[in-house]
Amino acid sequence: DAGVTQSPTHLIKTRGQQVTLRCSPKSGHDTVSWYQQALGQGPQFIFQYYEEEERQRGNFPDRFSGHQFPNYSSELNVNALLLGDSALYLCASSPVGWNRVAGGELFFGEGSRLTVL
Amino acid sequence: DQQVKQNSPSLSVQEGRISILNCDYTNSMFDYFLWYKKYPAEGPTFLISISSIKDKNEDGRFTVFLNKSAKHLSLHIVPSQPGDSAVYFCAASREPQDAGNNRKLIWGLGTSLAVNP
Repeated sequence: DAGVTQSPTHLIKTRGQQVTLRCSPKSGHDTVSWYQQALGQGPQFIFQYYEEEERQRGNFPDRFSGHQFPNYSSELNVNALLLGDSALYLCASSPVGWNRVAGGELFFGEGSRLTVL
Repeated sequence: DQQVKQNSPSLSVQEGRISILNCDYTNSMFDYFLWYKKYPAEGPTFLISISSIKDKNEDGRFTVFLNKSAKHLSLHIVPSQPGDSAVYFCAASREPQDAGNNRKLIWGLGTSLAVNP
């Protein structure tokens, strides 16, 4: 059973460019969340997708957008990259019903390390 | 405003001794807490969790204690092993305000644990 998979693992972009990161959730999971982890910080919630819709959003500008596909996989897009967007981007998936049961865990992928020069 | 605080950036213990990692939170609506372990260049790995209806949860060498009145939780690792050396994150969640949403995690900054042989 494959866990959460993310691609690419590393990438380098320049300021002003656009980037797309991809995530496939763990089998049986229908909800995908994206987190940004800057160096020396804890992960920060970007947004969450369920039933192909953005359901919740953290304190991130509109340059950050996403999409969820019918197979539950997801993309994170960042436009007009800034130096401060350099971070590890983590995708997490959660089991069905995690929003109604005080239990379980978020499963994380290995992350995509983005460097903006 | 940091709702989840891990005030010790680092901790060093001897192999075989107890490691105690602390976490404080400010939001009384949090009702579920998780500890994750993270190695460099990897995604977070779930360790143990506790619901706010409990004050202790144990899993092998790992025990989490929750003191709701003090808004404090701690992770005990006994005995500590060199392979436990990693960054440990405390994360908290609350019931979503919209029942259609899934939980999101609010993270501390992490504590880097070094277990010395």
